[in-house]
Amino acid sequence: DGGITQSPKYLFRKEGQNVTLSCEQNLNHDAMYWYRQDPGQGLRLIYYSQIVNDFQKGDIAEGYSVSREKKESFPLTVTSAQKNPTAFYLCASSINGRADTQYFGPGTRLTVL
Amino acid sequence: DAKTTQPNSMESNEEEPVHLPCNHSTISGTDYIHWYRQLPSQGPEYVIHGLTSNVNNRMASLAIAEDRKSSTLILHRATLRDAAVYYCILRTNNAGNMLTFGGGTRLMVKP
Repeated sequence: DGGITQSPKYLFRKEGQNVTLSCEQNLNHDAMYWYRQDPGQGLRLIYYSQIVNDFQKGDIAEGYSVSREKKESFPLTVTSAQKNPTAFYLCASSINGRADTQYFGPGTRLTVL
Repeated sequence: DAKTTQPNSMESNEEEPVHLPCNHSTISGTDYIHWYRQLPSQGPEYVIHGLTSNVNNRMASLAIAEDRKSSTLILHRATLRDAAVYYCILRTNNAGNMLTFGGGTRLMVKP
């Protein structure tokens, strides 16, 4: 089945460690996005990529890094510089950067102890 | 970016219609109105979008005011599976498909 997957669903890390969240899509979409969601809040954009080997900062990029070496993959690294990394992280994709619809993955809940 | 205002929460009875309002008084002429919903512990899913005319699809209907300063998402017969947070989002039709999510409306459906 076509779709967007994120793994793992739950992730625990110690404070000060970098952690990489996986996002893969087999929809042949050009554009991919990372959002962060805190309890009871809406989503905030961290990074987005409209095409392979290109990405742009979103509203809250500090403390995060991404890469886009392959069309189907857009991993997000939460670095130790991120002050409050515990959150629900959502990856999305769209056909291109101007498409009407974004398709979301199931999310990864990161807890930093 | 143009902002949207939605009630924090609403309640509905199962199998009754639900009207979810959204105010966007600072909308510009090129902003599309999008609705997404998010079930508990899941990623958001697209519901519907429109520009000026009312829109219908298999999930819902979107009624847009003539001055475009407000819109209403209509679920014709609410089911328990429709219990979710509904987000009304304005998206400018330019490069960079940014979605700015506000707090949304938490819809509770009573059996």
